Amino acid sequence: SQQGEEDPQALSIQEGENATMNCSYKTSINNLQWYRQNSGRGLVHLILIRSNEREKHSGRLRVTLDTSKKSSSLLITASRAADTASYFCATRSSYGNKLVFGAGTILRVKS
Amino acid sequence: EAGVAQSPRYKIIEKRQSVAFWCNPISGHATLYWYQQILGQGPKLLIQFQNNGVVDDSQLPKDRFSAERLKGVDSTLKIQPAKLEDSAVYLCASSSFFSGPSYNEQFFGPGTRLTVL
Repeated sequence: SQQGEEDPQALSIQEGENATMNCSYKTSINNLQWYRQNSGRGLVHLILIRSNEREKHSGRLRVTLDTSKKSSSLLITASRAADTASYFCATRSSYGNKLVFGAGTILRVKS
Repeated sequence: EAGVAQSPRYKIIEKRQSVAFWCNPISGHATLYWYQQILGQGPKLLIQFQNNGVVDDSQLPKDRFSAERLKGVDSTLKIQPAKLEDSAVYLCASSSFFSGPSYNEQFFGPGTRLTVL
């Protein structure tokens, strides 16, 4: 079963705009990670946020985590056509080692 | 540093046939994962190895799926016999250490796209 649920399922924006994707999960976590998957390729790790952190930045990426609401958001600023991909959140439980992925958000950045 | 290698990239078979996928993880990575990704869904963990031992295979359909990790390096995933619902991308990933519920980044291969007719 998949723990994370991303919202929206699909997002289409113009180059230069910001893109925000949300993820909700169900159980207690140790950390939450975001991955990107380009068409026909494997997943690439983007950023990790631990359960005791509230916000994290990496380049044009900003991730927030609200453990009380069991939700996270990924913000991509100043989007580029190369950001077109599927984005997945993945959670690691506090009680085990398994990484559980959500269904993903498909982002399309139009140039 | 070479990434995770997988082969073949594509495979088309008929139902009830057998198929095998191969994965070579990043050198030195002790943990290896096989995921199944059905179209429109996120990856689902099938099996996790630590060196050549199985850590988690709770979601592996053991009546038809099997996996092994030879000498703690390469791994093969086999489906026998295949069903229509096995059509998916099979992803292999590896990570550098296993230490309970703590962070380790997983590095993914390009995947094998399986179509079962």
